[in-house]
Parts: sequence; structure tokens; C-alpha cells
Amino acid sequence: SQQGEEDPQALSIQEGENATMNCSYKTSINNLQWYRQNSGRGLVHLILIRSNEREKHSGRLRVTLDTSKKSSSLLITASRAADTASYFCAMREVNTGFQKLVFGTGTRLLVSP
Amino acid sequence: EAQVTQNPRYLITVTGKKLTVTCSQNMNHEYMSWYRQDPGLGLRQIYYSMNVEVTDKGDVPEGYKVSRKEKRNFPLILESPSPNQTSLYFCASSFGGGTQIYEQYFGPGTRLTVT
Repeated sequence: SQQGEEDPQALSIQEGENATMNCSYKTSINNLQWYRQNSGRGLVHLILIRSNEREKHSGRLRVTLDTSKKSSSLLITASRAADTASYFCAMREVNTGFQKLVFGTGTRLLVSP
Repeated sequence: EAQVTQNPRYLITVTGKKLTVTCSQNMNHEYMSWYRQDPGLGLRQIYYSMNVEVTDKGDVPEGYKVSRKEKRNFPLILESPSPNQTSLYFCASSFGGGTQIYEQYFGPGTRLTVT
């Protein structure tokens, strides 16, 4: 099965700036999720966007999905040092087993005070 | 508190010595899954379970076994561990049903080293 590719692999910004990370995939999906992982810890779900949605917001997070380009982006606005973490996209591919999630390789975000 | 627990959190073992990593959730979730995380490879799914006595292979099932005898528990068994199974392992659970997939709740991870 495919694996999502995330871009950039690493991102370093200052507090207050916006952070944008992108996820691309190869086959059709039912939905796409974004997770955050603090160093060495378990992943925490951030947001889920379905294949028939184009944009979704949750607090300072904005996710877009372009199924024609097979890509999604996560925007974190007004970033804080506490946003420092790795961010992963995860997708459920169409025509695969139920509840089978495929994760991207992740973007490491560093937000400096 | 809703949570997924894993034990042990850290384990160093030798090649060939059978081990079990336990996973338990208290949210009455139908779905549970095991992942391994390796540098540069992201998370890869090992096995998953849709409900009691229903399990299926993920992307990297070789060398692993699972069982789901109770809804809350989903142990990962390494019958004969090898050094290439050195990794960070995560258990996750979620509600499940039909074609929907829901947010997954992850355990804190088990760091396994096989020498």
C-alpha cells in the first residue's frame, strides 16, 4: 500500500509565524487525518477531513484537501513553542480493508521562542 | 480517564526470546491496532482488529502475532524476536463500524531493543 509523503521533512520557524506542511498521496482515499507527535510519545489526533470536504478548521488549525491533486495541507497559524512536534498525515485508502490507516513520513516542526 | 495503556514501556531482550507487549483500552472501542515506528519510515501498521476474535494483517505482519480475546485487550506477541524488530511500538484504538474510520487514540509507546 502507499505511504503518504510529507513536505517539508523539517520546518523551523519563530513563534507567531504560520507553519504549513503538505501531504501527498498516490491512490484514492476515503478520508485523511492529521496527527501530532511530541518526541517519542504517542500520536494525538488533530483533525479529520473527508474526501468530499475541501477545507476544515479547528482552532488555529486549517486543513485543506485537494483530491484532484491528491494532496492535503495543514496550516498552523500564530504558532507557539508548544507546537514543536512531528506532524503526520494518515489516510484510509479506498478499496482497502476497513480501518486500515496508512501514515505519512512526517514533518518535524520546531517553533523557537 | 480515557486512555490506552501499554506495557512494558521499555524492553531490552535477546534474539529468540519470546515476548509479549500488552495493550489495553478503557473506552469500549471496537477497533485496535499495532504500529511500529522507525526513523525515516513513519508509522507502519502491523496488525489490526475490528472486534473480538477478528484480526487482520497490516503492512508489516511478519514475525508478529496478535490475539483479541477480550474487547479491551490486544497483545502483540513476538515469538522469536530478531534485531530487525528493534523499534518503537504503538497500540491504538478507536470506535469502528461500517466504512467509517474515526480518530485513533494512541498508547504511550513501547521501545523495544533486540540484541
